[in-house]
Amino acid sequence: AQSVTQLDSHVSVSEGTPVLLRCNYSSSYSPSLFWYVQHPNKGLQLLLKYTSAATLVKGINGFEAEFKKSETSFHLTKPSAHMSDAAEYFCVVSGVLSGGYNKLIFGAGTRLAVHP
Amino acid sequence: NAGVTQTPKFRILKIGQSMTLQCTQDMNHNYMYWYRQDPGMGLKLIYYSVGAGITDKGEVPNGYNVSRSTTEDFPLRLELAAPSQTSVYFCASSRIAGETNEQFFGPGTRLTVL
Repeated sequence: AQSVTQLDSHVSVSEGTPVLLRCNYSSSYSPSLFWYVQHPNKGLQLLLKYTSAATLVKGINGFEAEFKKSETSFHLTKPSAHMSDAAEYFCVVSGVLSGGYNKLIFGAGTRLAVHP
Repeated sequence: NAGVTQTPKFRILKIGQSMTLQCTQDMNHNYMYWYRQDPGMGLKLIYYSVGAGITDKGEVPNGYNVSRSTTEDFPLRLELAAPSQTSVYFCASSRIAGETNEQFFGPGTRLTVL
């Protein structure tokens, strides 16, 4: 069975400093992994996804994540935080429902605060 | 394209009332999903559909019903609202099944049951 753990419920950074949001996953096979972002009172938006191609994945708004199989990690990073990055971030692993259909398994989320 | 739209945005219900949350997508996606998001938690799958006329239960289906009469629409029905159903509800859709496929989310419906 697949599962995902986000190691920090809250992260606070200053504008212009690096961002690191940590995610570990568990899967019995090579998974697909996603990061979604949710701005206040908005729906979820896909930031990036890993699908067994390049292990370093680049997403929108300057975010990237590296798939490390040996560490079962998929941490999200950004070199320089912007005020508009303040949001909730979800690490997601793709599993399979009965019948073979796509299922997303969500982490509990990390709330990123960015201070001036 | 509007993507995935949901109505209403907010709703307050009394215990025992019923309501339908509407979800429509204009991307011609076969697969649609309903999730609920409780405070401090990730999303939990309520029901999903793989095409018109076909629905199945997710992780937390109790207290809900769905139907899928068209490709575009996937309404979620609460028959007897309970305080435990206070949550934010998200509808999503995807083009195909498979692990690499991206799901597209609506803006959510915030429901409070008092």
